Amino acid sequence: AQKITQTQPGMFVQEKEAVTLDCTYDTSDPSYGLFWYKQPSSGEMIFLIYQGSYDQQNATEGRYSLNFQKARKSANLVISASQLGDSAMYFCAMREPYSGGGADGLTFGKGTHLIIQP
Amino acid sequence: DADVTQTPRNRITKTGKRIMLECSQTKGHDRMYWYRQDPGLGLRLIYYSFDVKDINKGEISDGYSVSRQAQAKFSLSLESAIPNQTALYFCATSDFETGGEQFFGPGTRLTVL
Repeated sequence: AQKITQTQPGMFVQEKEAVTLDCTYDTSDPSYGLFWYKQPSSGEMIFLIYQGSYDQQNATEGRYSLNFQKARKSANLVISASQLGDSAMYFCAMREPYSGGGADGLTFGKGTHLIIQP
Repeated sequence: DADVTQTPRNRITKTGKRIMLECSQTKGHDRMYWYRQDPGLGLRLIYYSFDVKDINKGEISDGYSVSRQAQAKFSLSLESAIPNQTALYFCATSDFETGGEQFFGPGTRLTVL
């Protein structure tokens, strides 16, 4: 089973509208971290936002917020007031604790290609 | 100056050649990682290192080797490159104290003909 699932391969959104990018995850560990990265066409990976599994409040960073629904294992990214520069690939990722049996590092979803239209 | 640098940024090589991709960081982080990204897919972990003496295989380590020459340097080698190793390769660093956020280099685009 995939550990990170992003069900929207592509999305078209009008400029200035809010956008929700879906992400569901699968882990049996109570301690984990969830991340969103943006990858523009130039290729670099840009960190957007982080949510820890024990955090009581949803994370926010400027126009980005993370809608964390722990019981549903959902960590959707919300972009308010979208801009043309938001057009990019967006990746959800999870980090689980290194336990000696598993691997350190992030597990990524396949991404969502977001296109903002004027 | 960038905190995580990768050289080269682009490389075209032929099947069977040995290739080394280099990564350097000035963030002072102990943990370093190599990932590859194929078109339409997310990043997948190749190798990671907690420090100079601690190197571990990731999800897709076959056909690759690594060397951690110093805390700041982590190299990825393809001993005998094959076409399906054509991909975008990323180096990343992290500091456990910051909750696991990974800081990525700009990537190396490798083409194996």
